[in-house]
Amino acid sequence: QVQLVQSGAEVKKPGSSVKVSCKASGDTFINYAMTWVRQAPGQGLEWMGGIIPIFGSANYAQKFQGRVTITADVSASTVYMEFRSLISEDTAVYYCARDHGIPATGMGLPFDSWGQGTLVTVSS
Amino acid sequence: EIVMSQSPATLSVSPGERVTLSCRASQSVSSNLAWYQQKPGQAPRLLIYGASTRATGIPARFSGSGSGTEFSLTISSLQSEDFAVYYCQQYNTWSTFGQGTKVEIK
Repeated sequence: QVQLVQSGAEVKKPGSSVKVSCKASGDTFINYAMTWVRQAPGQGLEWMGGIIPIFGSANYAQKFQGRVTITADVSASTVYMEFRSLISEDTAVYYCARDHGIPATGMGLPFDSWGQGTLVTVSS
Repeated sequence: EIVMSQSPATLSVSPGERVTLSCRASQSVSSNLAWYQQKPGQAPRLLIYGASTRATGIPARFSGSGSGTEFSLTISSLQSEDFAVYYCQQYNTWSTFGQGTKVEIK
């Protein structure tokens, strides 16, 4: 059973950047894709993008293209999500999640394990 | 982008009742549909994938059905721990979530 442990809460100024980490343990890291999902206060879930760590290839929801970069360090079993040019509407809990395998090109997968979430607050 | 629509937004139910939640896709997603349960302050939990396959450790009272554009999640006899928000997710083309259905105590 994999465990995903995320970095701690962040408070950022508008226009700045944040980088959130997610470390996997307890299962093989290389056989899965990893995903980032965000949830604004009182709102639903929003897929941001994902990465296949063994290939290093990332894909992003159109909404986040150009502002988000997802990377992975296979040796450290850790994925990262960097979010630039933050605005107040980016205040949310950011979750990493493990895909139920490696998806085919253009497709996704269900997310069978989730991190605890990282609250990012954007405020002046 | 495939848009997922869930109904109703809120469902008021008594413990022991049978409940059915609906999820509709703006275009066919085949059987590439999952359901999640989320309780306040917690991460979502995968319940169902492939439209009808229960995830590991999920009780048999949870069942999913549907294909194409119409899907449903049924809880056969609602337990106290089932009061939560439920989300559907299509993963046929990248991934999108529905807006959620809150199941609350009547």
